[in-house]
Amino acid sequence: QKEVEQNSGPLSVPEGAIASLNCTYSDRVSQSFFWYRQYSGKSPELIMSIYSNGDKEDGRFTAQLNKASQYVSLLIRDSQPSDSATYLCAVNSAGNMLTFGGGTRLMVKP
Amino acid sequence: DGGITQSPKYLFRKEGQNVTLSCEQNLNHDAMYWYRQDPGQGLRLIYYSQIVNDFQKGDIAEGYSVSREKKESFPLTVTSAQKNPTAFYLCASNEGQGTYEQYFGPGTRLTVT
Repeated sequence: QKEVEQNSGPLSVPEGAIASLNCTYSDRVSQSFFWYRQYSGKSPELIMSIYSNGDKEDGRFTAQLNKASQYVSLLIRDSQPSDSATYLCAVNSAGNMLTFGGGTRLMVKP
Repeated sequence: DGGITQSPKYLFRKEGQNVTLSCEQNLNHDAMYWYRQDPGQGLRLIYYSQIVNDFQKGDIAEGYSVSREKKESFPLTVTSAQKNPTAFYLCASNEGQGTYEQYFGPGTRLTVT
């Protein structure tokens, strides 16, 4: 059973701080990794994808991948109250499939 | 406007009734997916289709059925055999052919009483 694990949270950070969200996965052959943001009552929105070891930056978001440790993370710099949401980690599995983690709820306090 | 549409947004049904949830996409994507999300939970795959006229069961297919007669459409029927149908249902699509990014519709919240 391929697994993707996330701390459910809530992770609470003050406005302007860096939020660090973590995800581990069990399938060593996974090559594609995604972060989705889901606001309460809404559907998931793709915000980052990463395919190779290292960091990938997009605005205030940085995704980090370490395949040897089977670990992927999302950093949100200068966190804003509007970043408060649940963040889902997704990892490719067989075919065009994705396996999703349970999500981490982030709360950014003004 | 390209995207994925799901209808209705909210759906209420009595226990024992079948109900069909609509999912349409105009992204020209080959693959489509149905997920179920329960409160505070992640996404669980119900059914997926990589190509027209073909679909496979996901992790929790019991009590559900699908069809894929057109590339644009992938309706999901929640049958009376599904024991706990109340949930948030999400449809997604991707290009297929070795790509993995999935894009989601707005979802349908089904309540069965």
